[in-house]
Amino acid sequence: AQSVTQPDIHITVSEGASLELRCNYSYGATPYLFWYVQSPGQGLQLLLKYFSGDTLVQGIKGFEAEFKRSQSSFNLRKPSVHWSDAAEYFCAFHSGGGADGLTFGKGTHLIIQP
Amino acid sequence: NAGVTQTPKFQVLKTGQSMTLQCAQDMNHNSMYWYRQDPGMGLRLIYYSASEGTTDKGEVPNGYNVSRLNKREFSLRLESAAPSQTSVYFCASRTVQETQYFGPGTRLLVL
Repeated sequence: AQSVTQPDIHITVSEGASLELRCNYSYGATPYLFWYVQSPGQGLQLLLKYFSGDTLVQGIKGFEAEFKRSQSSFNLRKPSVHWSDAAEYFCAFHSGGGADGLTFGKGTHLIIQP
Repeated sequence: NAGVTQTPKFQVLKTGQSMTLQCAQDMNHNSMYWYRQDPGMGLRLIYYSASEGTTDKGEVPNGYNVSRLNKREFSLRLESAAPSQTSVYFCASRTVQETQYFGPGTRLLVL
């Protein structure tokens, strides 16, 4: 079955430190992969997406993610976090065929320490 | 260009009451979606509509019905609300490049 796993429920990072949020997927082919961010009480905003091509993708707000087929991973990174990055982050997956919806991970809650 | 809009933003219902959540998009997208978000569960797909006039069940459709009124609007109806339907509901629409854009959500409490 298709699935997305975000192993870390909570992550605490100091402001200015680097960040990596993990995402692993289970699928037999190369999926379409997404990272969304949700600020408290808000909807979901797309950070970046991977469909094909260059495995390092750049997104908004200084985020990037790297697709690694051998590890079935799509980890999100940021070199230096800001207090405003505190939010819930969701990795999501789509098989690329049909109009069915995204499969989401359960999310990682990012806490920024001053 | 408002994107995806949802009404209402908040709602409190008593068990057994009915209500309809409204969703509209102005991006001319064919596909639209309803998800629910529960703590520690991520988002789960309730129903989707690939195009005007078609709807399909997602992962958690029980207790819900949907209507794709036209290309812009996709509503979600709870015929007899239950406490288990307390959740945050998100509507989304999708580009031809597979990217989904989400509305601000409706927070529903069923007592």
